Amino acid sequence: DAGVTQSPTHLIKTRGQQVTLRCSPKSGHDTVSWYQQALGQGPQFIFQYYEEEERQRGNFPDRFSGHQFPNYSSELNVNALLLGDSALYLCASSFRSPGGPYEQYFGPGTRLTVT
Amino acid sequence: AQKVTQAQTEISVVEKEDVTLDCVYETRDTTYYLFWYKQPPSGELVFLIRRNSFDEQNEISGRYSWNFQKSTSSFNFTITASQVVDSAVYFCALSESNYGQNFVFGPGTRLSVLP
Repeated sequence: DAGVTQSPTHLIKTRGQQVTLRCSPKSGHDTVSWYQQALGQGPQFIFQYYEEEERQRGNFPDRFSGHQFPNYSSELNVNALLLGDSALYLCASSFRSPGGPYEQYFGPGTRLTVT
Repeated sequence: AQKVTQAQTEISVVEKEDVTLDCVYETRDTTYYLFWYKQPPSGELVFLIRRNSFDEQNEISGRYSWNFQKSTSSFNFTITASQVVDSAVYFCALSESNYGQNFVFGPGTRLSVLP
């Protein structure tokens, strides 16, 4: 049973460019959340997707956008990259249940470096 | 607004010592969920425990135990007889949403267990 997978592992981009990160959730999960983790800090919530719609968004600008596909996989897009966007981007999947938020399973992350 | 504080930035112990990681949270909701995650050097966040606000029972799992006290808004984590493999960054997290949206993570505590 594959866990959460993310691609690519590492990425180097130039300021002003655009980037797309990909995530495949754990089997049986229908919800994908994205987090940004700067060096030495805790993950910061970007947004969550369920049923191909953005359900909630953290305090991130519109340069950050996403998409969820019918197979529950997801993409995170960042436009007009800034140096401050350099971070580890984590994808987490879970199963949406009215019984409360069950544990989110995290992927290994994509390390984005903006130069 | 929800907030998680982990006052201990770094802790070093010698193998076989017991260690407690502190977590204090802030929320205005009466229903909320608390989590602990471990982030080893490999970078992937590993789920350890979930606790909802209605369940104040302490929990023990092997060498790990958790002490949830609503009166002090704390959810502390104790490792008994620590091992070198316990070396990692530990994050406490809070979610006010029934569907696990918008997890708020604390800044993390880096635990180093020395042989």
